[in-house]
Amino acid sequence: DVKVTQSSRYLVKRTGEKVFLECVQDMDHENMFWYRQDPGLGLRLIYFSYDVKMKEKGDIPEGYSVSREKKERFSLILESASTNQTSMYLCASSLDANYGYTFGSGTRLTVV
Amino acid sequence: QKEVEQNSGPLSVPEGAIASLNCTYSDRGSQSFFWYRQYSGKSPELIMSIYSNGDKEDGRFTAQLNKASQYVSLLIRDSQPSDSATYLCAVIDTGGFKTIFGAGTRLFVKA
Repeated sequence: DVKVTQSSRYLVKRTGEKVFLECVQDMDHENMFWYRQDPGLGLRLIYFSYDVKMKEKGDIPEGYSVSREKKERFSLILESASTNQTSMYLCASSLDANYGYTFGSGTRLTVV
Repeated sequence: QKEVEQNSGPLSVPEGAIASLNCTYSDRGSQSFFWYRQYSGKSPELIMSIYSNGDKEDGRFTAQLNKASQYVSLLIRDSQPSDSATYLCAVIDTGGFKTIFGAGTRLFVKA
């Protein structure tokens, strides 16, 4: 089975801090995604990548950036954390979007 | 703005009944459709995919697709308390790469 690992289950950060969320997948998937999930708003796409060094903005990229230096690792960066970035962050991986995604266990980030 | 609409629920059914979850989508060119199950505090898990009009069965789950009506549904037969979760409908957009998720329907199965 594909395994997608997110480095932290819970994080608490202060406003203005630079925050790194790490995601690693072990099945050589080309495609990786970062979503945030908020009650009533569902899953919203922040960034995605379909190849090493390639990245594309999703629907809500403001305040975020990403890094994909290696195929298996896709990092989400909050340049200057703000309280409205308190959320559940989900990383996903897929061989092809038409096969569906495998999600990591999620990181619940609280910005105080 | 491409959308996927689901009734947020909660949908409550007794144990052993059929649970019917529905979803509509706006992108007429979509070709791939998915159902994910998400337990409280956990991440979504893919349970069904469907690509052609009609029904697709997998154990107690049946996915139904009607592209003309832009409608996808999930039937859960012999519902169990362990089926209590939020079910997310997801659709691949016309470009074939981005997945659009519905906000989910909460299902409660009463023992």
